[in-house]
Amino acid sequence: SQQGEEDPQALSIQEGENATMNCSYKTSINNLQWYRQNSGRGLVHLILIRSNEREKHSGRLRVTLDTSKKSSSLLITASRAADTASYFCATTGTSGSRLTFGEGTQLTVNP
Amino acid sequence: DAGVTQSPTHLIKTRGQQVTLRCSPKSGHDTVSWYQQALGQGPQFIFQYYEEEERQRGNFPDRFSGHQFPNYSSELNVNALLLGDSALYLCASSGTSNAPYEQYFGPGTRLTVT
Repeated sequence: SQQGEEDPQALSIQEGENATMNCSYKTSINNLQWYRQNSGRGLVHLILIRSNEREKHSGRLRVTLDTSKKSSSLLITASRAADTASYFCATTGTSGSRLTFGEGTQLTVNP
Repeated sequence: DAGVTQSPTHLIKTRGQQVTLRCSPKSGHDTVSWYQQALGQGPQFIFQYYEEEERQRGNFPDRFSGHQFPNYSSELNVNALLLGDSALYLCASSGTSNAPYEQYFGPGTRLTVT
């Protein structure tokens, strides 16, 4: 079974708008990561946030982490058609580096 | 600097057959993990290899086995294939010394069992 859930399952927006995806998890974590996947191919690492961090930025990406609520959000600002993909959150537990993924959010950015 | 490579890209097998998938990690990485991704779902962890030994294992039956070679490349073997084994199999590599939690994924092998 998956670690948690992602919300929404699908999101459709216009180019230039912001996209927000949420992720919840169930157990204690060491860190949380976000990945992008285009058309069922390999995953691309976007950003990692450690359990003692609350917010992190990378270019147009902003990730927040609330360990008390066991949740995270990924914000993509000024979206582009090229951002169309599936986005997954994945957590690493307190032992080992195995990733536990959510079900993903399918983002469609319309030009 | 080559990233993670996987072979083959696509594979079609019949129920009951056996399959071997291959992965070469990113240069400088010594840890290889395998994931299974069914259509429309998130990847699920199969196992992880480090120093030629299985270090962690997910909730997969013994039909799934693996191996890591001295050059850090890895194989995933699946015996007695079932229709439910049809999926995208992803290999990921990471380095234990630098940013061990950031995993780099290969393009995957699409396995279809008929």
